[in-house]
Amino acid sequence: AQSVTQLDSQVPVFEEAPVELRCNYSSSVSVYLFWYVQYPNQGLQLLLKYLSGSTLVKGINGFEAEFNKSQTSFHLRKPSVHISDTAEYFCAVSDNGANNLFFGTGTRLTVIP
Amino acid sequence: EAQVTQNPRYLITVTGKKLTVTCSQNMNHEYMSWYRQDPGLGLRQIYYSMNVEVTDKGDVPEGYKVSRKEKRNFPLILESPSPNQTSLYFCASSWGLNTEAFFGQGTRLTVV
Repeated sequence: AQSVTQLDSQVPVFEEAPVELRCNYSSSVSVYLFWYVQYPNQGLQLLLKYLSGSTLVKGINGFEAEFNKSQTSFHLRKPSVHISDTAEYFCAVSDNGANNLFFGTGTRLTVIP
Repeated sequence: EAQVTQNPRYLITVTGKKLTVTCSQNMNHEYMSWYRQDPGLGLRQIYYSMNVEVTDKGDVPEGYKVSRKEKRNFPLILESPSPNQTSLYFCASSWGLNTEAFFGQGTRLTVV
């Protein structure tokens, strides 16, 4: 089974500063990778996904992520954060033949004015 | 509007009293699943369903039941809730595992 590691449980960052949220997964077999965002008292919504093709994936709200197969990573980045980006971010992985979407433990991003 | 609807949003119950959390999607998705979210543990899958009458266990199925009699509905049943099932529950649906999952708003369950 896959495992997903989000090393940073909390990331505080000042408004308009860049941010990187880290995600590593366990297996190097063919995988599908996702980042979801959860705003307070809401469900999760998709930020972006990698299925195949270009390793740099652009998502909503100015976020992007880069798939690195050799390092089994899928880090999420934004060059300039806004207050409204304050939320919890989850990395998720599934692989061919799996019937499960494996989630990391989440990273709480707090944008400081 | 495409959505996944869970009810209730909040529920406080006592140990051993059977309860059902409903989940309905209006996108004709084949794949539906239930997760629980606990602090420091992320989301863990309880059960999933690939289609009508096809269900299977996820990572933490103990103490839960599900059914999929219709494509749009996927209720989660706790026959005899216990305090360790106090959690935030999410229902999700998608076309498949490599497509976007749509999540409900969540059900916060407290078992006392």
